[in-house]
Amino acid sequence: DTEVTQTPKHLVMGMTNKKSLKCEQHMGHRAMYWYKQKAKKPPELMFVYSYEKLSINESVPSRFSPECPNSSLLNLHLHALQPEDSALYLCASSQGPGSYNSPLHFGNGTRLTVT
Amino acid sequence: AQKVTQAQTEISVVEKEDVTLDCVYETRDTTYYLFWYKQPPSGELVFLIRRNSFDEQNEISGRYSWNFQKSTSSFNFTITASQVVDSAVYFCAPSSGANSKLTFGKGITLSVRP
Repeated sequence: DTEVTQTPKHLVMGMTNKKSLKCEQHMGHRAMYWYKQKAKKPPELMFVYSYEKLSINESVPSRFSPECPNSSLLNLHLHALQPEDSALYLCASSQGPGSYNSPLHFGNGTRLTVT
Repeated sequence: AQKVTQAQTEISVVEKEDVTLDCVYETRDTTYYLFWYKQPPSGELVFLIRRNSFDEQNEISGRYSWNFQKSTSSFNFTITASQVVDSAVYFCAPSSGANSKLTFGKGITLSVRP
C-alpha cells in the first residue's frame, strides 16, 4: 500500500463547480508536490511545498489553488475548470527541500473528469 | 539546458525474455541524481532506483540491473527474465538543483506477453 493517500480516487465535476483534492502523508516528509498527468504523457510538475510554504508554482492557472494546512496535508482547490483540465492528479512527498537526492513517494492519484 | 531522452516508446517482449530500457540525460550540471519510476496500469508511480552522478558502479537487485555511464550520459535499466507483472510504463527522471525538481522523460511502455 502506498504511504501517500489521495482522495477521492475519481472525481467528475462541471465547469462551474468547486471541488478539492486531498493528499496526506505520515512519513515525516517536509516537501510535498502536485503533478498533473494527461493520458500517455509523463507527469508534469504543478506545485512544490517546502516546510508548508509554496516554493515552486510552474505557472499554473489560478483556477488551481494549492494549500498546505500542515506538514502532513496538501490540498488542491479546483474552481471553474475546463474540460482540458481532465487528467490524473498525483500527489507526492519527499524527505525535504534542497535534498534533490530524495526519491518522491507518490499517491495513487485522483482521476479528474471535467464535463 | 537539460534534456532527458527515452528514445524507445513501446517495447513488447515474451515472458522470460530480457529487456533493456534506455535513458540519456544531457546536462551541464556536475551533480545530479537519476531516478527510474514504474507506473503500472493501476496508475501509481513506484520508485525503483536512484543513482548519483558520481557513482558509475552498476547495480543489481533481483531481476533488475542498472548501468550508468556518465561519459555517454546513459542510465539504462535491464529486466532479466521478464514477467507479465513487469508490464508498465517506465520513466527515467533526473533531478538537480535545490528545489528537488524532478523532471520525467516521456516514458517507455513495456508489454510482457505470456
